[in-house]
Formats: sequence, structure tokens, C-alpha cells
Amino acid sequence: GAVVSQHPSRVICKSGTSVKIECRSLDFQATTMFWYRQFPKQSLMLMATSNEGSKATYEQGVEKDKFLINHASLTLSTLTVTSAHPEDSSFYICSAKIAGITDTQYFGPGTRLTVL
Amino acid sequence: KQEVTQIPAALSVPEGENLVLNCSFTDSAIYNLQWFRQDPGKGLTSLLLIQSSQREQTSGRLNASLDKSSGRSTLYIAASQPGDSATYLCAVRPIDRGSTLGRLYFGRGTQLTVWP
Repeated sequence: GAVVSQHPSRVICKSGTSVKIECRSLDFQATTMFWYRQFPKQSLMLMATSNEGSKATYEQGVEKDKFLINHASLTLSTLTVTSAHPEDSSFYICSAKIAGITDTQYFGPGTRLTVL
Repeated sequence: KQEVTQIPAALSVPEGENLVLNCSFTDSAIYNLQWFRQDPGKGLTSLLLIQSSQREQTSGRLNASLDKSSGRSTLYIAASQPGDSATYLCAVRPIDRGSTLGRLYFGRGTQLTVWP
């Protein structure tokens, strides 16, 4: 089956630093990737939709200058949390859609970000 | 804006019981509805996907129903086992528009504990 990986799985950083999270589709091409954020006991909230080769579409209330998304290839999207603060601590999950198949999204295992 | 609600928030049952988890959504203009399982600190595993034209889907001990007109879905788990313990998330995909093709709206989930 289609596999999506995320790296790192867990990161702890100091306030003010930037953190990059990678999302890779390992055995398929993903024209669209989605980035979600999940706070404890909360639902997954879509942050942005990332289409290969174009600018990401951000959800209302998500700062595009703080959460930089790059989708430079059909197998890789990155989310960079710039100048991270403790309130950015969360579980970040990506998903990817197989090119040409509209129904199925495959989710990565998530990245736990803790900002001290 | 689509809102997804799941009831109950938590459920604790003895092994062997049959369970019903509920999901409701506010906008019936959906493309499909999906049930996921999430283990603590992990990503999502898709359990069942119901297209808007379908009434139910079955996989092993799981059965999901969809009543689009009333904005409801149920996940039925037969003969529950301790290994079923996890958080179950319901997600709806609205009819696609614009550049957010395929985005999902999630509920907060039902945290299920099945004890031996």
C-alpha cells in the first residue's frame, strides 16, 4: 500500500528557532499534500493545502509567513515553523493524495513538536 | 463552514461488547465520509470510506453507515477487543471547490478503551 513518511518523528527546540518537517510519499507521486495540526484531545485542523509546483493555500487564521510550505517535487513537501514559540507545540500530520486518484489520502505518522 | 461532531468523546467497555460511535456533520454537501483510527502519538489509519451515494460500508467487525440527508454517520464495532482501544475519528470531505481539492474536516474523535 501507499506509504507516507514524516521526518523527524519528534523534535524539541528552543523558542525562537526554526524547525523543518518533511513529508514524503515513498512509493507514489502526490500532486497534493495536506498539512494538519492536532492539539491534545482536539481534532485535526487543516493548516494548508500544498500543490506541487505552486504556492500553498492556507486556511483562515494560519500565518503563511510563520508556517512556510514548500512542495518542490511530487514526493516531498516541507513545513517550516519559523521562530517557533511554545504555543506552536503540537502534533503535525501530513497527508498525500495519489495523482489521478481523487478519493484516497494517505497519512503520515506525524511529528511531535515541543517548543521550550 | 462544515463542522463535525463526535459523540461520545470517550467510551470504556468490557471486551466482547458491541459498540456504536456517532458522527454528525452540518453541511450535507459532502463527497464522502471516512472513519479513521488513531493510536496514541501516531498517525491515522483509514478504516472505512463511504461515498456520498452509499449507505454503508463493512470491513470485518466494522460497519459504517451514512445518512447524508440528516448529516449523520455511525461506526458499529462488533465483539470489541482490547486491541480496538484507540481514538476513532470521523472526517468528511466536502464537494470539492477551488484549490483545496480533497480537504477533510475532522471531528474531535471518540477515545475508546476496551478492557479485558
